[in-house]
Amino acid sequence: AQSVTQPDIHITVSEGASLELRCNYSYGATPYLFWYVQSPGQGLQLLLKYFSGDTLVQGIKGFEAEFKRSQSSFNLRKPSVHWSDAAEYFCAVGGSTAGNKLTFGGGTRVLVKP
Amino acid sequence: DAGITQSPRHKVTETGTPVTLRCHQTENHRYMYWYRQDPGHGLRLIHYSYGVKDTDKGEVSDGYSVSRSKTEDFLLTLESATSSQTSVYFCAISAETVDTQYFGPGTRLTVL
Repeated sequence: AQSVTQPDIHITVSEGASLELRCNYSYGATPYLFWYVQSPGQGLQLLLKYFSGDTLVQGIKGFEAEFKRSQSSFNLRKPSVHWSDAAEYFCAVGGSTAGNKLTFGGGTRVLVKP
Repeated sequence: DAGITQSPRHKVTETGTPVTLRCHQTENHRYMYWYRQDPGHGLRLIHYSYGVKDTDKGEVSDGYSVSRSKTEDFLLTLESATSSQTSVYFCAISAETVDTQYFGPGTRLTVL
């Protein structure tokens, strides 16, 4: 069965500092990986996705993620955090063998200090 | 933003009553999904649809049923609501079987 672990429930970061959110997945075939962001009271917005090709993926809002097959990881990074990045971030895994049924991690809530 | 609406956006109901949530899309996407979101669990798939009248169960389908009579509408029904079904419910759509899913704004359901 596929699964996703986001080890950090909360992260606090100062504005302007770098941010890295961890995501580890378990999937029996080639995974399709996603990062979504959810602002308070809102739905989920896609930040970026990895299907194949270059393992370093660029997304919206200055985010990037790196797929490391050997480590079963898909960590999300941003070089310089803005106050508007305060939100909850979800990693998800899916794939062709799962019929595009996504499995989500528990989420990481990011707080940004001024 | 993908054209997805959910109704109602908020609902309070009592244990034992039936509840129906509606998801409506204007994108003509084939696939539609219902998730529930609970703290610490992320989103969990309840049911999904891969075409009109074609639906299947997700990982937390007990106590829920769905129907899809038109491409644009996907209904989630709680036949007899329980307090454990208090949650935020999200609808999502995708064009293809392996594709990005786009999410609606959510429905906050409280079962007293």
